[in-house]
Amino acid sequence: QLQLQESGPGLVQPLETLSLTCTVSGGSISRSSYYWGCIRQPPGKGLEWIASIYYSGKTYYSPSLKSRLSMSVDTSKNQFSLKLRSVTAADTAVYYCVRSPETGYPPLSTFDNWGQGTLVTVSS
Amino acid sequence: EVVLTQSPATLSASPGERATLSCRASLSIGSNLAWYQQKPGQAPRLLIYGASTRATGIPARFSGSGSGTDFTLTISSLQSEDFAVYYCQQYNNWPPWTFGQGTKVDVK
Repeated sequence: QLQLQESGPGLVQPLETLSLTCTVSGGSISRSSYYWGCIRQPPGKGLEWIASIYYSGKTYYSPSLKSRLSMSVDTSKNQFSLKLRSVTAADTAVYYCVRSPETGYPPLSTFDNWGQGTLVTVSS
Repeated sequence: EVVLTQSPATLSASPGERATLSCRASLSIGSNLAWYQQKPGQAPRLLIYGASTRATGIPARFSGSGSGTDFTLTISSLQSEDFAVYYCQQYNNWPPWTFGQGTKVDVK
């Protein structure tokens, strides 16, 4: 059974970089049928899609966050990673790693597998 | 960006009752809409995609309908495990893939 596990810093200083790593088990990240991504949820609020990446490196970013984001995939470790630069308190959220079936057009549609989430707090 | 507006914000209902949740899109998205359920302290779970197709393992009491800009999630007979927050999500116009703000279904 596929599982996604987030690894995050817990606490990040304002204006620093948030680094999140997602480890995939029970399946290969190189399988050419899925995008891998991140969704966040501020405490008590709704869901926000951040970014998704294909094993080939093709990436989609949220336009509102694009200038601060980068995403990468490491097929040898079956992991993908997200970096969000210059964080503020508004970036405090539970960050989820997610899987999306590759659907051609649109490139991805739904989020059918989720990690348990990790809370990242931005505070000095 | 497609804005999804869900109503009501909170739906109070009793076990066994029928629950009807609404999601309205700011522009037409065809049938490119999904629904998710989130329980406290848990990640969301995919319920419905393509506006009306149940995901694997989802009970038949959950049904979705609609197309264009107006969509509905119906729970035919609420079970205790169905009290949760429900989100709609569109995948017609992207990026970004966007979610509604959620409807909480709680016990009356």
